[in-house]
Amino acid sequence: DTEVTQTPKHLVMGMTNKKSLKCEQHMGHRAMYWYKQKAKKPPELMFVYSYEKLSINESVPSRFSPECPNSSLLNLHLHALQPEDSALYLCASSQGQGSYGYTFGSGTRLTVV
Amino acid sequence: QQQVKQSPQSLIVQKGGIPIINCAYENTAFDYFPWYQQFPGKGPALLIAIRPDVSEKKEGRFTISFNKSAKQFSLHIMDSQPGDSATYFCAARANTGTASKLTFGTGTRLQVTL
Repeated sequence: DTEVTQTPKHLVMGMTNKKSLKCEQHMGHRAMYWYKQKAKKPPELMFVYSYEKLSINESVPSRFSPECPNSSLLNLHLHALQPEDSALYLCASSQGQGSYGYTFGSGTRLTVV
Repeated sequence: QQQVKQSPQSLIVQKGGIPIINCAYENTAFDYFPWYQQFPGKGPALLIAIRPDVSEKKEGRFTISFNKSAKQFSLHIMDSQPGDSATYFCAARANTGTASKLTFGTGTRLQVTL
């Protein structure tokens, strides 16, 4: 299995809702990442987990809460989002801190109404 | 210093042409330079990558040229095809000590016409 699987593919949520994005990989990768991508823009790093510990938080608002329950799973919990948070949320993984190859999932298209 | 500058923003070439996309960086701590291809509604897919101790790398129709002293690198696509029409991102990786960070260029939208 050489894929990063993200669910759901599409999500529409209200500003008062709580929802979660899920990311799964079975490649034995020990680093996992959340990126946010707005239309016609490059992906922007949000969080990095290395060996299931949060290593990098790029000053992301607290309405985004990441969680890494185990080495294969990465969640992004969403609460009280704003319409400007609408974007494609990408998960990626790599073998570890020193590895070079990143594998991206297809993303979750999030719309906040 | 973490920026990666990419040009052009968009590019149209005819089938068989050789589009060239350029990137430049400032941070000498970057140690890995991948190129990603992204189709609409999909995540970025790794095309080819290079380390700064190598000046050129070829994989199939894709070639990276790397100029360490100028802090520039470029992607050449040989014999381009309509199926190559996509957005291309250069990127650069830096190790922070506890994890690595991948910083993307601004992207180039490539259209290959018949």
